[in-house]
Amino acid sequence: LAKTTQPISMDSYEGQEVNITCSHNNIATNDYITWYQQFPSQGPRFIIQGYKTKVTNEVASLFIPADRKSSTLSLPRVSLSDTAVYYCLVGDILGDKLIFGTGTRLQVFP
Amino acid sequence: DAGVIQSPRHEVTEMGQEVTLRCKPISGHDYLFWYRQTMMRGLELLIYFNNNVPIDDSGMPEDRFSAKMPNASFSTLKIQPSEPRDSAVYFCASRSPGTSSYNEQFFGPGTRLTVL
Repeated sequence: LAKTTQPISMDSYEGQEVNITCSHNNIATNDYITWYQQFPSQGPRFIIQGYKTKVTNEVASLFIPADRKSSTLSLPRVSLSDTAVYYCLVGDILGDKLIFGTGTRLQVFP
Repeated sequence: DAGVIQSPRHEVTEMGQEVTLRCKPISGHDYLFWYRQTMMRGLELLIYFNNNVPIDDSGMPEDRFSAKMPNASFSTLKIQPSEPRDSAVYFCASRSPGTSSYNEQFFGPGTRLTVL
C-alpha cells in the first residue's frame, strides 16, 4: 500500500479556497486516490475519489497530475463547517484495506 | 436507510471487565470493517469481513480482542479482559458491492470506550 504524506494542519478563513496536497510517490498503476473528511466525534466520511486528471463533485475537486505522485483536494469557498480532518488514501479497487494516515487538520476562521 | 448503527455510543468499564461493541451495517453491504481511533495511533483497521467471513484480522492488537459476524446484519467486537490502553473510539464501517466509488466506506458514529 502506497504511503501518503500530507500537511499536519492548515488554517483558512471563511470564503477562501483551500487546497490540501498529498504526496504518494510510490503509487501503483492500479491505485485510486481517495479523500475522507472527519468531523469531531464522528466517523470519517467519503468526499471524493479519482484516478487521474480532475474530478469534481458537489463538495470538492480533486486534481491529479500526470505522474500521479501527488494529488490536491480543493475546497471552494470554505465555511466554518468545513473545519475537520482530511485524510488522503491510496489503494487499488481490489484492495479492501484503507490505511488512514495522520490527516490534515483544517481550521476555518470567521 | 439509517446508516451504520453502533451501540453503545459510550462505554465506561473497569479494567478486567469484558466489553462488547455492536454494529449493524447498512443493509445490502457485504463488507464490514472495525477500526480503532486514538490520539496517539490515529485510525487503525482492526479486522474486516466479507459476506460474514473474516478476511483479515492482522490489525487485531492481541488475543484479548475478538470479532464475529454471525449474519449479514450484525457484528460484535469483544475485548476480554479490557485494559486502560484499550480506551479509544471504535468505529464500524460497511461498504456496498458494485459501488461507483471503489474505496467508499460508510462509517458509524463510533463507540467511545473508557477503561478505568
